[in-house]
Amino acid sequence: EPEVTQTPSHQVTQMGQEVILRCVPISNHLYFYWYRQILGQKVEFLVSFYNNEISEKSEIFDDQFSVERPDGSNFTLKIRSTKLEDSAMYFCASSGGQGGNEKLFFGSGTQLSVL
Amino acid sequence: SQELEQSPQSLIVQEGKNLTINCTSSKTLYGLYWYKQKYGEGLIFLMMLQKGGEEKSHEKITAKLDEKKQQSSLHITASQPSHAGIYLCGARRAGTASKLTFGTGTRLQVTL
Repeated sequence: EPEVTQTPSHQVTQMGQEVILRCVPISNHLYFYWYRQILGQKVEFLVSFYNNEISEKSEIFDDQFSVERPDGSNFTLKIRSTKLEDSAMYFCASSGGQGGNEKLFFGSGTQLSVL
Repeated sequence: SQELEQSPQSLIVQEGKNLTINCTSSKTLYGLYWYKQKYGEGLIFLMMLQKGGEEKSHEKITAKLDEKKQQSSLHITASQPSHAGIYLCGARRAGTASKLTFGTGTRLQVTL
């Protein structure tokens, strides 16, 4: 079965540094998402992306965050200046999006630790 | 925004026993998704329910949707250690490929 791939699986960074989390969605999918899960908490929506632009974002997704689909296959999440509270598991997801109710396929996540 | 409450928050059952997890929405459900999460892994899709009264089964897992009660249940028959993990329900707004909002999760442990 096709799958969503995320790299790296673990990322450790110093507070204030920029990080880029990478994702390769399923090739014929049209909608892309980032979610995060702080240890012991809910899986929270960050942003959705369609047709090369953000279609929806949560209040968590402030100016420190940005997303990009630079080359038609990768989908990246950039955190400009990381904070301690950005430490979380970040999940990328994609869906076909044709009917509007399709399931999301999730990657295995990137565990981000901000020291 | 869609709020989804799951119950129980955690569950320990003996292998071979049946169990039920519930998901209740504060808003009208237009589609309900069940996912399973294991430590260090992503979310694995289990089932999607779209119509009131719909019921789906896969192996020993059955999910039902009660639109009137704005509720879904996930039932596992004859639980096995492989069923252990965190079960998440998710819902989205009608008619769009919008975000999926997840519930609070139910942690299941299966003892031998």
